[in-house]
Amino acid sequence: ETGVTQTPRHLVMGMTNKKSLKCEQHLGHNAMYWYKQSAKKPLELMFVYNFKEQTENNSVPSRFSPECPNSSHLFLHLHTLQPEDSALYLCASSQVSGSNEQYFGPGTRLTVT
Amino acid sequence: GENVEQHPSTLSVQEGDSAVIKCTYSDSASNYFPWYKQELGKGPQLIIDIRSNVGEKKDQRIAVTLNKTAKHFSLHITETQPEDSAVYFCAAGNSGGGADGLTFGKGTHLIIQP
Repeated sequence: ETGVTQTPRHLVMGMTNKKSLKCEQHLGHNAMYWYKQSAKKPLELMFVYNFKEQTENNSVPSRFSPECPNSSHLFLHLHTLQPEDSALYLCASSQVSGSNEQYFGPGTRLTVT
Repeated sequence: GENVEQHPSTLSVQEGDSAVIKCTYSDSASNYFPWYKQELGKGPQLIIDIRSNVGEKKDQRIAVTLNKTAKHFSLHITETQPEDSAVYFCAAGNSGGGADGLTFGKGTHLIIQP
């Protein structure tokens, strides 16, 4: 266990549904990240939060809406997704001061039908 | 932006032999190079990292080397074991404080043949 948990682990949703992914870190970190992992593509950075403030949006479509209520929790709200959004969504956390060691959760396997 | 290339995409070695995975990066401002191991059904696990102020780092059977001039870095696994079978990712980023996303390579599927 890395100290980063994600729920749910698997999610199937229709294109008109609204769902949310949750991430929680128990490491005392203050930066959190969302990455997308698609088959045969590198992990893609989506969003970065530094002390609850969003510091990076890597040109992600507005159908993905992140929320970071505190340094330990991160959400990804999903609505009107497309089948090509099916992927493994990974959350990571790190400590802002010093190194950039990022610790990942197990991911949420999302399938959009 | 940063671009990371990783080779090979698949590597099959006999148990006990060594494995080497190579990566190149494009942004000379990058100074932090972690390696992750991902097993089936799990998230990536940080196994070793190196910063640009050193050329080599070793941790038991794994080592990483960095050539800043050529902008490439490599992962070396010696005395490979079946449990080393996984997908390995290299990444590049910054470690000067702050929150910075990492740029990843496409991954290498390492297969250890018994």
